[in-house]
Amino acid sequence: KAGVTQTPRYLIKTRGQQVTLSCSPISGHRSVSWYQQTPGQGLQFLFEYFSETQRNKGNFPGRFSGRQFSNSRSEMNVSTLELGDSALYLCASSLGQLYNEQFFGPGTRLTVL
Amino acid sequence: KQEVTQIPAALSVPEGENLVLNCSFTDSAIYNLQWFRQDPGKGLTSLLLIQSSQREQTSGRLNASLDKSSGRSTLYIAASQPGDSATYLCAYSGNTGKLIFGQGTTLQVKP
Repeated sequence: KAGVTQTPRYLIKTRGQQVTLSCSPISGHRSVSWYQQTPGQGLQFLFEYFSETQRNKGNFPGRFSGRQFSNSRSEMNVSTLELGDSALYLCASSLGQLYNEQFFGPGTRLTVL
Repeated sequence: KQEVTQIPAALSVPEGENLVLNCSFTDSAIYNLQWFRQDPGKGLTSLLLIQSSQREQTSGRLNASLDKSSGRSTLYIAASQPGDSATYLCAYSGNTGKLIFGQGTTLQVKP
């Protein structure tokens, strides 16, 4: 069974640009969550999508947005990039219940110059 | 406020030692607690999942316990090996569905 995949694995952008990250969950999983990991703040929750609807949202500015498609694949978009957006972005998939195990992908390393 | 604290922040042990990593949380309404392993620059690998109704889970040389009443979980690693060197993260799932993570314990096992 294939795991969670994320593309691209590495990105380098400049301030002011926008970026789109993609996450394909484990087959059969309907929930996709996104997390930002930085050395200073650790792992912080961005948002969760379940059956194409945003079900939960963290405390990030509106520049961070996402969506989920009918095949459960999810994309995350960051507009007007800032230096502080440099981070490892991780997505996790699960069956969708609160007690279900979450499985993480390898992450996308975003560097903003 | 939802918080997870992991102690110690870093640990260095010789190969073969048994060790315990600690995790404490403030939220009493948890659905489950997961322990993850993260290698440098990589994603998270799920090691063990303990449901709120369970007391412990075991996988190979790993054993995780959960005490909801005291807000504590421990990860026990038996007979540590250099390949166990990584950062270990604990996280719980509350009624919001998101995982609340600790800052992690960075483990180095020396040959």
